[in-house]
Amino acid sequence: SQKIEQNSEALNIQEGKTATLTCNYTNYSPAYLQWYRQDPGRGPVFLLLIRENEKEKRKERLKVTFDTTLKQSLFHITASQPADSATYLCALDESGGSYIPTFGRGTSLIVHP
Amino acid sequence: KAGVTQTPRYLIKTRGQQVTLSCSPISGHRSVSWYQQTPGQGLQFLFEYFSETQRNKGNFPGRFSGRQFSNSRSEMNVSTLELGDSALYLCASSDRGDTGELFFGEGSRLTVL
Repeated sequence: SQKIEQNSEALNIQEGKTATLTCNYTNYSPAYLQWYRQDPGRGPVFLLLIRENEKEKRKERLKVTFDTTLKQSLFHITASQPADSATYLCALDESGGSYIPTFGRGTSLIVHP
Repeated sequence: KAGVTQTPRYLIKTRGQQVTLSCSPISGHRSVSWYQQTPGQGLQFLFEYFSETQRNKGNFPGRFSGRQFSNSRSEMNVSTLELGDSALYLCASSDRGDTGELFFGEGSRLTVL
């Protein structure tokens, strides 16, 4: 069966360190993978998209990697700040024009001052 | 540009009742998707409407229905409410562009007693 796995345990790190979140998937052939941020009681906010033919994408302090052989994406936040504390969701889209990504359950990141 | 607007933000219903939730997408976006989010299941896709037509449907019972109007505003309806329908219902709009980015509203928090 198809699965998207994100670490259900919260990731606790110190301010200034690099946070690394993992998204693993099975039985998917994603055309692209997205990362969203969700704050408590709010809707998710799009952060980054990486396509199947891209290895790495950067945006300011964010970096995403995509390894279709390992079936894994890593999401990095460098120089993390307490304001980065949130739940981060990965979403896969096998496309074919459906534009309906399937979401993982998210990993909570807590950045301590 | 105004964001995605969902109403009501919070509502409490009792079992057996029905509920209608509303979503106004970003101006110019013709695709509206609905998701149910619960702690146990994460974000689950309900359905997507594009230009007033349901294009995709998730694996939910027929008690869940929706529609889209000519101005792209969308409503979803849940009939014969069950306790398990308590969730955050999120609407997302999209221009079905290159990134597949979804723009989420703040959600409607439904509690079924």
